[in-house]
Amino acid sequence: EIVLTQSPTTMAASPGEKVTITCRASSSVSYMHWFQQKSGTSPKPWIYDTSKLASGVPDRFSGSGSGTSYSLTISSMEAEDAATYYCLQRSSYPFTFGSGTKLEIK
Amino acid sequence: EVQLVESGGGLVQPGRSLKLSCAASGFTFSDYYMAWVRQAPTKGLEWVASISYDGGSTYYRDSVKGRFTISRDNAKSSLYLQMDSLRSEDTATYYCTTVSAYWGQGTLVTVSS
Repeated sequence: EIVLTQSPTTMAASPGEKVTITCRASSSVSYMHWFQQKSGTSPKPWIYDTSKLASGVPDRFSGSGSGTSYSLTISSMEAEDAATYYCLQRSSYPFTFGSGTKLEIK
Repeated sequence: EVQLVESGGGLVQPGRSLKLSCAASGFTFSDYYMAWVRQAPTKGLEWVASISYDGGSTYYRDSVKGRFTISRDNAKSSLYLQMDSLRSEDTATYYCTTVSAYWGQGTLVTVSS
């Protein structure tokens, strides 16, 4: 099983601040996928195939990485970006999620 | 409009069974692998099982192998999860999903005596 380690677990950012969330895989994966989840709602696909933004995702978001190291970056934090973000690998079964990063607005 | 609507959740005693259903609409159901993903209260996301386009291949996480069965009926655009020998650690909201694109609103399963 591929274990995904996300960091940080929680963080707070000020409006306009750059934010980076990392996801490290215990073995190499082909792509990384990211989901945004707000309290009481279903997860939303956010970034797929490492760097492609899902429909409707603002272009202040970006994704990058390869092999065992991936990241999600927000170029300029906005209040609506406060949420929990999860990474997911589906290169091999069992699919595995990271433990999540709770991002708050300062 | 794409919709995935789960049903069948509820309170069940340990050791008993429950069957979840998911009705899909607004997209070509048979074009997608489907999956169940769960989330225990206040916890993270956990993949449970996946099924191929025609149902010919299924995949499970170790902790549910032999207890859960995923299936689909493409004619009815429906996905199912038969859950047997339920345990307290199966308590979670269960999401029906294509993973890459569409997610349901979830159905809560509570396993407790």
